Amino acid sequence: GAVVSQHPSRVICKSGTSVKIECRSLDFQATTMFWYRQFPKQSLMLMATSNEGSKATYEQGVEKDKFLINHASLTLSTLTVTSAHPEDSSFYICSARDEVNTIYFGEGSWLTVV
Amino acid sequence: AQSVTQPDIHITVSEGASLELRCNYSYGATPYLFWYVQSPGQGLQLLLKYFSGDTLVQGIKGFEAEFKRSQSSFNLRKPSVHWSDAAEYFCAVGAEAAGNKLTFGGGTRVLVKP
Repeated sequence: GAVVSQHPSRVICKSGTSVKIECRSLDFQATTMFWYRQFPKQSLMLMATSNEGSKATYEQGVEKDKFLINHASLTLSTLTVTSAHPEDSSFYICSARDEVNTIYFGEGSWLTVV
Repeated sequence: AQSVTQPDIHITVSEGASLELRCNYSYGATPYLFWYVQSPGQGLQLLLKYFSGDTLVQGIKGFEAEFKRSQSSFNLRKPSVHWSDAAEYFCAVGAEAAGNKLTFGGGTRVLVKP
């Protein structure tokens, strides 16, 4: 199947700093990518929809100024957690939609804010 | 709005026994339906999908699922479970009319007894 890659897989940052997570579709072009957050032993919570060449659409309750999303090309979307706090520590997963509407997920990125 | 219910939070099954995971959805039109599997600390892997056509779909790793419109269900089955099938399973529903955003069920954790 199609491959979606996330980087880094694990990152530790200090409180107050910013951290960027990349999501790449390796063998298809993705006009739409999605960013999720997953708390331990819970399901995935959609944070935002990332559209190539336009602004991301955020779900209700998600701070767009804190979670900056950029989708500059058809194969890359980035999520930047700005001014990170310990409560932002979580597992972040991206997904990408291919040309036949199948959605593939990345491996996820563990963020720990200390 | 679309919603997904996975009634079983945990299921324990003996190795070699059959497995069925339940999924019920709510959506006004015919949605896209997916089953994903997640191993601890990892991303989601697509098992199978239903968009249209034959209501019994075959997936990877010996899994299959049946779409039943009258019951709004998309249950996942495997005839003979292997120890490596122990994981968290998520049912998800999406629709082009909803921007292809996926709505996830709460997940079912499968434990496999030797």
